[in-house]
Parts: sequence; C-alpha cells; structure tokens
Amino acid sequence: EAGVTQFPSHSVIEKGQTVTLRCDPISGHDNLYWYRRVMGKEIKFLLHFVKESKQDESGMPNNRFLAERTGGTYSTLKVQPAELEDSGVYFCASSATANTEAFFGQGTRLTVV
Amino acid sequence: GENVEQHPSTLSVQEGDSAVIKCTYSDSASNYFPWYKQELGKGPQLIIDIRSNVGEKKDQRIAVTLNKTAKHFSLHITETQPEDSAVYFCAASKGGSYIPTFGRGTSLIVHP
Repeated sequence: EAGVTQFPSHSVIEKGQTVTLRCDPISGHDNLYWYRRVMGKEIKFLLHFVKESKQDESGMPNNRFLAERTGGTYSTLKVQPAELEDSGVYFCASSATANTEAFFGQGTRLTVV
Repeated sequence: GENVEQHPSTLSVQEGDSAVIKCTYSDSASNYFPWYKQELGKGPQLIIDIRSNVGEKKDQRIAVTLNKTAKHFSLHITETQPEDSAVYFCAASKGGSYIPTFGRGTSLIVHP
C-alpha cells in the first residue's frame, strides 16, 4: 500500500513567486493535515481537512497560504507571494479517523531566496 | 495553548550506550504523548506513544516514561545502534485529538 506522497521533494523559488505543494494521502484516509518545520524549530500544525472540508485552519500563518482539497482526495498548499520566512519543510499527514495514527509524507523542502 | 520543550537539541553517543531525551509540556489537560523518529529524507514516523493513565511503556529497546505531576515525559533508548541515528520529536495532545504540539526535535547521532 502506498504511503503519503508529497511533490515536489524540494523547491527553490525567488521571493514574490508562487509555489504549489501537493500531497497525496493514503487511499481512504479522510483526514489530511499540513504541518511546517522551520529550520531547527518545532513542527507546527497548519491545518486539518476532513474529506474536502477545512476542519481546523488555525495554524495557517497568513492569507498568503491557501490550501485546497477538491474532491476529498489529494490536497494542494499554495504560497503566493512567497516570502523568505516561508522557507522550511512542509509535511503532509493523513489518518483514517481524527483519533487514529497519522502517517507522514517525506516532506517538501521549500527554499525562498 | 500547549507548549512542548525538548532537550537536548543534539545528542551524540557511542554504539551500545543509552540515550535519553526529555520533554516537558505546559497544558495539564494533555493526555496523549507520541514520539516520532525522522530519518534523513523521510517524514516523521510514530515509534511509541503513551497515554496519561500509564506511567511507563516499553517496546524492545525503547521506553517512554510519563510524570503527570511534573508534566515531564522522556524517551529512553538502550543499546543504541547506528541505525538509531535520526531526529526524534516528542509531542503532546489532548481530548483524543490527533493534532499534537511538537517539540523542537533532538538530533541523535550514534557513533559505531
């Protein structure tokens, strides 16, 4: 069974550009989470989808970040326009229910220069 | 909100030694404490967890302890091996939620 997969694995963009990260959860997992780790710091929660609905987006840093999960399958996280402080590793995770183990993808390392 | 502190940030040991990573949390309502291991190029993977109704849990060479009164929990790895080298994260959550608050991570290096 395929795990959580994220694309791309690494992205380098210039300040002001737009980047879209993609996450494919484990098939059948209704719950999808986005997290971010800025270098040397903790992994911070960004938002939680249940199917296509945003259950909790309290961790989204500002309105330059837009997450979607059309059809309740894969999810995208768009950063527009990107700023230097957006650099970090973005993780996606999925779980069957909100109270069961969440499995993480390998992450997308975003570098804004 | 919850705040999780994790120490040390880096830990270097010789193969065969024990390694201990310590975490504290601030919210007394937290009742679930998972530990994750992140190997190079991979995402965090749950390796062991403990709930607040238990003081200690063991799984082969790894064990976790929880002191609810002091709001401390720790990860113990015995007989470390080079493949234990990774970044370890502690986390805390409450109310059955699986959206934990993470610590900053500990980079464990096991020298052969």
